[in-house]
Amino acid sequence: IQLTQSPPFLSASVGDRVTITCRASQGISSSLAWYQQKPGIAPKLLISAASTLQSGVPSRFSGSGSGTEFTLTIGSLQPEDFATYFCQQFDSFPLSFGGGTKVEI
Amino acid sequence: EVQLVESGGGLVQPGGSRRLSCAASGFTITNYAMSWVRQAPGKGLEWVSAISGSGHMTYFGDSVDGRFTIFRDNLKNTLFLQLNSLTVEDTAVYHCVKGGGWLPNWFDTWGQGTLVTVSS
Repeated sequence: IQLTQSPPFLSASVGDRVTITCRASQGISSSLAWYQQKPGIAPKLLISAASTLQSGVPSRFSGSGSGTEFTLTIGSLQPEDFATYFCQQFDSFPLSFGGGTKVEI
Repeated sequence: EVQLVESGGGLVQPGGSRRLSCAASGFTITNYAMSWVRQAPGKGLEWVSAISGSGHMTYFGDSVDGRFTIFRDNLKNTLFLQLNSLTVEDTAVYHCVKGGGWLPNWFDTWGQGTLVTVSS
């Protein structure tokens, strides 16, 4: 299953509302997760099962969607949110990741 | 605290082999699916392999199937990845990751990774 993220790069300012899209090449129900990665650090799970926020993740992060189209929304961008975001499907093998979206200042 | 610590990376010649280890603490690996995910320098994430919580099922990405093996030592709570027939395309940081359940799904805990460089 191919996952296509858009946009690949995003320039934004502190306080902006940001939306990242992940499209699957076939339906994957709600079998999608979102990760945040900062340079030199391992990725961090933000959202599982399309919309379940992980413990400790700020509520400004939210996920939605099912089937083939999913979104990650950051309600009000904070300085610590500048990072690269990846989606990942776990509907079928081989598991796969999207190409990433780099959120820049 | 749930923690994963990888080791075993290094410089390997094309065609060579390497065994990566992942020492888990704070949880029991037989209760969760475990995976390896790699990231080539400056590139995105690629899922490599997984083993189910039961240990009976293993899964591999297309690019490594037939060359890599995943297994674990339950007594030592340690996961392994055996890499054979390595090519330059296998150069990456290899992360050990814990799944959210018995079967492979999302990855809720990541190790810092171990770098494998394949070069002559």
